[in-house]
Amino acid sequence: DAKTTQPPSMDCAEGRAANLPCNHSTISGNEYVYWYRQIHSQGPQYIIHGLKNNETNEMASLIITEDRKSSTLILPHATLRDTAVYYCIVRVSNTGNQFYFGTGTSLTVIP
Amino acid sequence: DAGVIQSPRHEVTEMGQEVTLRCKPISGHNSLFWYRQTMMRGLELLIYFNNNVPIDDSGMPEDRFSAKMPNASFSTLKIQPSEPRDSAVYFCASSLRISGNTIYFGEGSWLTVV
Repeated sequence: DAKTTQPPSMDCAEGRAANLPCNHSTISGNEYVYWYRQIHSQGPQYIIHGLKNNETNEMASLIITEDRKSSTLILPHATLRDTAVYYCIVRVSNTGNQFYFGTGTSLTVIP
Repeated sequence: DAGVIQSPRHEVTEMGQEVTLRCKPISGHNSLFWYRQTMMRGLELLIYFNNNVPIDDSGMPEDRFSAKMPNASFSTLKIQPSEPRDSAVYFCASSLRISGNTIYFGEGSWLTVV
């Protein structure tokens, strides 16, 4: 599975959009991009995933560049409860089910 | 719908003792994963099962660790004998093995070996 690169930490003002980048320059054509987050002391929580089209759900939006070498997770109106570590993962979904987590981005939402 | 259920949530044990962690996956899911999380190493995949069969146990640290899945609704991760360096949070997760699937985590078992 392709490796991902994320900034180790970011801050965001409460109520503003949080834009979390992820580089996956070696991604293959059949690899999906997944985003999870982990709030302190809890299990990782699924946020969103996509293959090549932009995706939106009730939690966030996922923007994938046309060449698929990078993506951005957008939390449109960050709240204090969004403070967490955010993991970007790329994997082929139908060849084994391994999810390998990197170090992620620690997002702090500031009041 | 109940999520992934893990027990115990917290355990403190003495070095050398046997530790058994338990997991009940989401009903209908056919893949199950065990992860370990520490500050130093982050989230590590230990082993995963498809349809109760272990597929990849390359992440299991050593022979002191073993995992079983006797049926679709139950799995155990056993450490025997336990050592202080095994102190970590152990997460179980499950998923459906279909295209674009996601995995869902339990709340973890916090293990401290003294």
